[in-house]
Amino acid sequence: EDQVTQSPEALRLQEGESSSLNCSYTVSGLRGLFWYRQDPGKGPEFLFTLYSAGEEKEKERLKATLTKKESFLHITAPKPEDSATYLCAVQAPSGGSNYKLTFGKGTLLTVNP
Amino acid sequence: DAGVIQSPRHEVTEMGQEVTLRCKPISGHNSLFWYRQTMMRGLELLIYFNNNVPIDDSGMPEDRFSAKMPNASFSTLKIQPSEPRDSAVYFCASSLASVTTYNEQFFGPGTRLTVL
Repeated sequence: EDQVTQSPEALRLQEGESSSLNCSYTVSGLRGLFWYRQDPGKGPEFLFTLYSAGEEKEKERLKATLTKKESFLHITAPKPEDSATYLCAVQAPSGGSNYKLTFGKGTLLTVNP
Repeated sequence: DAGVIQSPRHEVTEMGQEVTLRCKPISGHNSLFWYRQTMMRGLELLIYFNNNVPIDDSGMPEDRFSAKMPNASFSTLKIQPSEPRDSAVYFCASSLASVTTYNEQFFGPGTRLTVL
């Protein structure tokens, strides 16, 4: 069974204090690893897709990296508006389905001004 | 584009009542997904459709849950009869997918369901 574990569960940072969120996964036949951002009362918002080990993608203050066992979401000089829950999901063939996403429980990031 | 549209946004009902949640996917997307989110279990896939056909319903918790997609622009998730443990936020997502392309899913705003 595909498993996705995110750590830490919650993270408090001061504005400008860089850090990283971790997503460890166990899947057979990874098709892609996705990062989403979720604000309170809203649906998850797509950030990145990573397909192979060694791949990196950046968007503003966020950079996602991927190895064969885990992914990191690096946040550089965060601002209060970066506060949200960050979700990691893996996509792998499951029960004949090529499109099933298995989500981690997320990391709740709070950035204080 | 309007994004994924879900209705209602909030639903409060009593145990035993039928509940119907609705979703309109992004125009042109051929895959539609229903998820349930709770604090305990996180975001779980219930069922997904490809080209209006249900492909994987292994996440549907029991026979009280059913989903339909009569056409490319509309889907429903029905719970009958509803129980308090069904209280959660239900999300619909859509994607443009093929056999070899694994594209991101776009989520709707969700329906917060409370069963008393």
